[in-house]
Amino acid sequence: AQSVTQPDIHITVSEGASLELRCNYSYGATPYLFWYVQSPGQGLQLLLKYFSGDTLVQGIKGFEAEFKRSQSSFNLRKPSVHWSDAAEYFCAVGAGGRRALTFGSGTRLQVQP
Amino acid sequence: DGGITQSPKYLFRKEGQNVTLSCEQNLNHDAMYWYRQDPGQGLRLIYYSQIVNDFQKGDIAEGYSVSREKKESFPLTVTSAQKNPTAFYLCASSDAGQGTDTQYFGPGTRLTVL
Repeated sequence: AQSVTQPDIHITVSEGASLELRCNYSYGATPYLFWYVQSPGQGLQLLLKYFSGDTLVQGIKGFEAEFKRSQSSFNLRKPSVHWSDAAEYFCAVGAGGRRALTFGSGTRLQVQP
Repeated sequence: DGGITQSPKYLFRKEGQNVTLSCEQNLNHDAMYWYRQDPGQGLRLIYYSQIVNDFQKGDIAEGYSVSREKKESFPLTVTSAQKNPTAFYLCASSDAGQGTDTQYFGPGTRLTVL
């Protein structure tokens, strides 16, 4: 069975500082990996995804993520955080074939001025 | 605009009532999904449908029912058998026909039991 771990429940960074959110997955084959962002009371918005190819993936809003097979990780990064980035971030893994995703428990990002 | 709509945004239910949450998509996606989100937790899968007239139970299907009579619609019924239904419910659909299984989400319905 596949699983996702997001070790950090809550992270606080200063505006303009760099950000890295951690995600570790467990899956037997090459996974489909996703990062989503959720503002309070809203649905999830896709930030980026990895299926194959280049292990460094660029997404929207200046985010990027790197797939490291040897570490079973797919960490999300942003070089300079903006106050509008405050939200909850979810990592997810999928097996393909129209099957559902497995989500981590999320990391809540707070941005200090 | 293409997208996924969920209604209502807020729903209140009395003990013992069944309620139905609506999910509609005009993205021409074959697959649709229902997730439940509780505070401090990730999303948990309730039901999913890979094609019209077919659906499968997810991890927490007990107390819920679905139907998939049309490609664009996947309503979720929360029955009185669901002991703790207060939660945020999210519907999603995926463009699995492209082989990428990227899921797109609706804005959610917050259900509160009174």
